[in-house]
Amino acid sequence: KNQVEQSPQSLIILEGKNCTLQCNYTVSPFSNLRWYKQDTGRGPVSLTIMTFSENTKSNGRYTATLDADTKQSSLHITASQLSDSASYICVVNLNTGFQKLVFGTGTRLLVSP
Amino acid sequence: GAVVSQHPSWVICKSGTSVKIECRSLDFQATTMFWYRQFPKQSLMLMATSNEGSKATYEQGVEKDKFLINHASLTLSTLTVTSAHPEDSSFYICSVEGLNYGYTFGSGTRLTVV
Repeated sequence: KNQVEQSPQSLIILEGKNCTLQCNYTVSPFSNLRWYKQDTGRGPVSLTIMTFSENTKSNGRYTATLDADTKQSSLHITASQLSDSASYICVVNLNTGFQKLVFGTGTRLLVSP
Repeated sequence: GAVVSQHPSWVICKSGTSVKIECRSLDFQATTMFWYRQFPKQSLMLMATSNEGSKATYEQGVEKDKFLINHASLTLSTLTVTSAHPEDSSFYICSVEGLNYGYTFGSGTRLTVV
């Protein structure tokens, strides 16, 4: 079982609609949790970084939440645009004395016109 | 975060040849860089941690003699896929650990071995 699970695996929404992507993790302790956007054939680009003490972090139309008690995070995209079509990856950075990233399985989002 | 340049963005090579991929940190002196491999519809998998001036640290199952890593300066790490075979075809991505735990990824290199 993957230590960082994301849902749904894929999602299709209409342009202009909102959506929420989920990330559940079992790894601990962690120093921070990150959300990345990865366009097809490109490297991941950072959207948000949250430490375990932060509950929410926004970056434009992207808002990430974190519940360290339940080990859940979400990424909410508001007023989706066609350019939001990409894979969204949740990444947990373990606090093990050195940096170690654990990648989620990703959610493939398609925004349809 | 740091600005990372990866080159080439794609490469096609014949089976048995070697391919070198470069990862440059343009505005940050990186003592540590990371190399990942990503197969279609899968997550990034860490291959190795590149340390400036010393040997790279490879993840379990990654052949160090096949995937040669050189990190000779604070701004450049290279990954050489030696004697490439079709099963080495993948998307290779480097990343740099910048300030405040920020990780910046390169744009990736699509390797196709024919």
